[in-house]
Amino acid sequence: EAQVTQNPRYLITVTGKKLTVTCSQNMNHEYMSWYRQDPGLGLRQIYYSMNVEVTDKGDVPEGYKVSRKEKRNFPLILESPSPNQTSLYFCASSLVGLSYEQYFGPGTRLTVT
Amino acid sequence: GENVEQHPSTLSVQEGDSAVIKCTYSDSASNYFPWYKQELGKRPQLIIDIRSNVGEKKDQRIAVTLNKTAKHFSLHITETQPEDSAVYFCAASRRTNAGKSTFGDGTTLTVKP
Repeated sequence: EAQVTQNPRYLITVTGKKLTVTCSQNMNHEYMSWYRQDPGLGLRQIYYSMNVEVTDKGDVPEGYKVSRKEKRNFPLILESPSPNQTSLYFCASSLVGLSYEQYFGPGTRLTVT
Repeated sequence: GENVEQHPSTLSVQEGDSAVIKCTYSDSASNYFPWYKQELGKRPQLIIDIRSNVGEKKDQRIAVTLNKTAKHFSLHITETQPEDSAVYFCAASRRTNAGKSTFGDGTTLTVKP
C-alpha cells in the first residue's frame, strides 16, 4: 500500500531533550516536506527536500533540522525543543515534474513541557 | 516570500447550497494551486488542483477558478452535503524549480442537514 508513515504519532517531552520524528514513504517520491499545524495558522512549511542530499528552508525553520540521506526517509530533528514547538506535525511527499499532489502522513502530535 | 490569504475562515451553509472559498497570493511566479480537505482528526488530502496555464478546472461537484492577473483563485462546491463538512486549505507554490509551498490559514466549512 502506497503511504507516508510517521513515528511516533504522539510524543510528550520536556524542554531541551533532543528528539527525532521519522518520516518514510514507499512511493519513490523525490519531494518530501515537513509542516506544522497550529490552530488558526494553517499548515506552515518547516523544511523541504527536492531529492537526496538536497534540503531547503520553508517559512518556519528555526529550531528544526532535517536530513535526506535516503530517498524514502526525511527525519525531523528538534535539537533542543521548547514549548513553542508544541504542535501537530505532518510529513508529506510527492513526485516532481509529473504530479504535484502531496501525500500527507498521519501526523505527529508533539507536546513540549 | 509568498503570502496566501484565505477567506472566509468559517462558512456555514445549508445542505444543497453552494459554498465558495477564496484565496489570494502575492508571488506572481507561483504556478501551482492545490486545495486540500482535512476532516477532523485526519490528514489533509488533495481534492483538486490547478496550474497557472489553466483558468478553470472541474471535478463533479467541485471546481476551481484561477485569475492570474488578479492573483486569486477560488474553490466552488455545489450541492453541498454534510460529508463536505471539513477544513479546506488552499496553497500556492512554484513547483517546477522549487519546493516551497505556502498554505492559507484554512476555512472551516459546516454543511447543515
